[in-house]
Amino acid sequence: GAVVSQHPSRVICKSGTSVKIECRSLDFQATTMFWYRQFPKKSLMLMATSNEGSKATYEQGVEKDKFLINHASLTLSTLTVTSAHPEDSSFYICSARVNLDTGSYNEQFFGPGTRLTVL
Amino acid sequence: AQSVAQPEDQVNVAEGNPLTVKCTYSVSGNPYLFWYVQYPNRGLQFLLKYITGDNLVKGSYGFEAEFNKSQTSFHLKKPSALVSDSALYFCAVSANTNAGKSTFGDGTTLTVKP
Repeated sequence: GAVVSQHPSRVICKSGTSVKIECRSLDFQATTMFWYRQFPKKSLMLMATSNEGSKATYEQGVEKDKFLINHASLTLSTLTVTSAHPEDSSFYICSARVNLDTGSYNEQFFGPGTRLTVL
Repeated sequence: AQSVAQPEDQVNVAEGNPLTVKCTYSVSGNPYLFWYVQYPNRGLQFLLKYITGDNLVKGSYGFEAEFNKSQTSFHLKKPSALVSDSALYFCAVSANTNAGKSTFGDGTTLTVKP
């Protein structure tokens, strides 16, 4: 089956520093990757949609200068949380989708998530 | 705009009993419907999807879901629950008309008691 990895699984950083999270599709090429933030009450919030070779599309209310997304290859997307603050502490999850034809009927394969704690 | 509603925050069933986790949706155009499961501190795992064809879709771990167009529902079911089925379940919908983005419900926590 399709496997998506995320690294690191857990990170603790000081306020004001930047943190990079990597998302890799290990055995398939993902034209589209998604970044989510999951809150303690469990709901998933889509942050951005990332297509290989183009700029990410951010959801309303998500600061693109704070959450930098790069999708340089068909197997790697990165999310950088710049100048992190305690309110950025959360569980960040990426997903990848194989795009066949129009693609929106294909399921997403999710990474295991990254727990970010900002002190 | 598309949306998903999972009306139950929590579902409790006894092991061996049938389970149902409810999902209703709203979308422009033809819906593509998905169920995912999340275990503690993990990412989501794909369970099953409805694209077209037979309204009853069978997926992983003995789960199935029935697409009901008139009721705009896609309830997840299993004939006999296992304790190991205890997890967080998400329903999602997408459509070609929305750049392929999926909208997720808020999730339903399923607890199966021995």
